[in-house]
Amino acid sequence: GAVVSQHPSWVICKSGTSVKIECRSLDFQATTMFWYRQFPKQSLMLMATSNEGSKATYEQGVEKDKFLINHASLTLSTLTVTSAHPEDSSFYICSALDLYRYTFGSGTRLTVV
Amino acid sequence: GQQLNQSPQSMFIQEGEDVSMNCTSSSIFNTWLWYKQDPGEGPVLLIALYKAGELTSNGRLTAQFGITRKDSFLNISASIPSDVGIYFCAGLRSGGSNYKLTFGKGTLLTVNP
Repeated sequence: GAVVSQHPSWVICKSGTSVKIECRSLDFQATTMFWYRQFPKQSLMLMATSNEGSKATYEQGVEKDKFLINHASLTLSTLTVTSAHPEDSSFYICSALDLYRYTFGSGTRLTVV
Repeated sequence: GQQLNQSPQSMFIQEGEDVSMNCTSSSIFNTWLWYKQDPGEGPVLLIALYKAGELTSNGRLTAQFGITRKDSFLNISASIPSDVGIYFCAGLRSGGSNYKLTFGKGTLLTVNP
C-alpha cells in the first residue's frame, strides 16, 4: 500500500529559528501534496496545496512567508516554518495524493520555546 | 469554507457495544472517506465511498454514502478497546483542479473494557 513518511516526528526549537519538515511518498509519485495543521482536539485545517514544480497554493489566512513550501520532486515536499514563535506550536500533517487515494504522514509535533 | 457537520462529538461506550456516527453537508460530495486518527499519529483511511447509496464494509466497520450525496454514516460493531481514537469523515468534491478534502470535526470514541 501507499506509504508517506514524514520527518521529524517531533521537534523543539527556540523562538526565532526556522524548522523544516519533510514529507516523502515512498512507493508512489505524488504530483500533489497537502499540508495540514491540527490543534489539540480539533480537526485538520488545510494550510496549503503543493504541486510538483509549481508554487504552492495557500489557504486564506495562511502566511506564505511564514510557511514556506517546496515540492521539488514527485516524492518530496517540505514545509519550513520560518522565524518560529510559540503560537506556531502545533501538530503538522502532510498528505500525498495518488490518483484518488489520499495517504497521510504520521505528523510532526512542533514545540517552539 | 465548506463545512461538514459530524456527530456526535464524543462517545463513551462499553466494550462490545455498537457505535454509529454520521456526517452531513449542505453541499454534494462525490466521494466520502472515513479516517481514524490515533494520538500523535496521522489519519488512516478506514473506508472510501464513491457512489451514492453505496454500502461498504471493512471488517467490523460499515459505511454508507447517502443517496442525496450530502451525508454518510459509519457504524462499528462489537467495539473493542483498540477502537479508541478520533474518527473523521472527509468529503471530496472532485472536478477541475480541486482535490481538496473537507474534514468533519471528528468523533472522539472511548471504549471502556
